[in-house]
Amino acid sequence: QQQVKQSPQSLIVQKGGISIINCAYENTAFDYFPWYQQFPGKGPALLIAIRPDVSEKKEGRFTISFNKSAKQFSLHIMDSQPGDSATYFCAASISRNTPLVFGKGTRLSVIA
Amino acid sequence: ETGVTQTPRHLVMGMTNKKSLKCEQHLGHNAMYWYKQSAKKPLELMFVYNFKEQTENNSVPSRFSPECPNSSHLFLHLHTLQPEDSALYLCASSLPTRGENTGELFFGEGSRLTVL
Repeated sequence: QQQVKQSPQSLIVQKGGISIINCAYENTAFDYFPWYQQFPGKGPALLIAIRPDVSEKKEGRFTISFNKSAKQFSLHIMDSQPGDSATYFCAASISRNTPLVFGKGTRLSVIA
Repeated sequence: ETGVTQTPRHLVMGMTNKKSLKCEQHLGHNAMYWYKQSAKKPLELMFVYNFKEQTENNSVPSRFSPECPNSSHLFLHLHTLQPEDSALYLCASSLPTRGENTGELFFGEGSRLTVL
């Protein structure tokens, strides 16, 4: 049973465009929602994270939008750049004190 | 530069071989993890150690045997593996999963395992 469902599996965006990746979860006990970014040949690295007490968190060009009632959260990358090309994983955990459960990942390609 | 180092980066082994993956972290963390990464699948948690004590075993087959001699080192011993075990094995560390922590996992670059 997949606890965190991520879509799309792959995404191609023009340089300067907006990349949007979506995740949905079932376990209402989840209260910590990070996004990880993984470049080829590297391990994933934390990009941005949100708690459910806020509906949006922005860090530079990266924004998480959170909809608690729908049990969904998404990553928006504004002004997407070729250097953003990577695989993005959403994840969730309970109170940051349990191991993270990851989505399947989205492979993003930003083309010039 | 990552604070989590994994060796070897690539490993090819036969089904009857015995090999080990090594992970070392220099971040002062006390929790260490093994994850399995396969194409088109979520990152699969295999094992978690907190303060050298195994706190999670995610129904991993016994042909994978973890060892955590201290908070800085983690091993994954491999024996009689199957071709479907071929994957990228990622080690990670964090502050302990007991009590407050940032929730952030720091990953190594992984060990790419191929089982023939």
